[in-house]
Amino acid sequence: RKEVEQDPGPFNVPEGATVAFNCTYSNSASQSFFWYRQDCRKEPKLLMSVYSSGNEDGRFTAQLNRASQYISLLIRDSKLSDSATYLCVVNYRTGNQFYFGTGTSLTVIP
Amino acid sequence: SQTIHQWPATLVQPVGSPLSLECTVEGTSNPNLYWYRQAAGRGLQLLFYSVGIGQISSEVPQNLSASRPQDRQFILSSKKLLLSDSGFYLCAWSVQGYNEQFFGPGTRLTVL
Repeated sequence: RKEVEQDPGPFNVPEGATVAFNCTYSNSASQSFFWYRQDCRKEPKLLMSVYSSGNEDGRFTAQLNRASQYISLLIRDSKLSDSATYLCVVNYRTGNQFYFGTGTSLTVIP
Repeated sequence: SQTIHQWPATLVQPVGSPLSLECTVEGTSNPNLYWYRQAAGRGLQLLFYSVGIGQISSEVPQNLSASRPQDRQFILSSKKLLLSDSGFYLCAWSVQGYNEQFFGPGTRLTVL
């Protein structure tokens, strides 16, 4: 079983739509969670950390559900510039071990 | 502010040739450093990480090696490249004690 699993998509949504991605992780010892954004042929860039209480940054909201071992990312009012691959990342506190999902592809359509 | 550099940006190498990729970080001291590989259509795979000069942890057995000769320099090497070594190699850093990682621009390696 993979450490981190994501639906690869693709998700094709119209501008202004709300879209949500989920990511599941297998190790209950996971301590830190992140969402990264990766544009085509570019490096991943940190979008937001995911806190236990959930957190929001503008149009983006991240949630953590430890009981079910998943994190989510909600994007409201989608913009064309949101088109990218979104990577879920999980870290185990016991080591410098980061596990990346394979990413979910989002295309926002005019 | 902190910046991370990688070079070269792209590289085409024949099978069996050596490899040396360099990564340097500016604007921070004693960072954690990481090497990842991303194969086409696949997720990032952690190859090596380092918490200090000369301290290297290997995550995946392979024909690659890493070294950290200076605090903010991380080098990925191979004596003989394989076709399967092709991919997008990314260096990343994080502050000691914090988990957010920041990536360099990457090196796209093609082994022919």
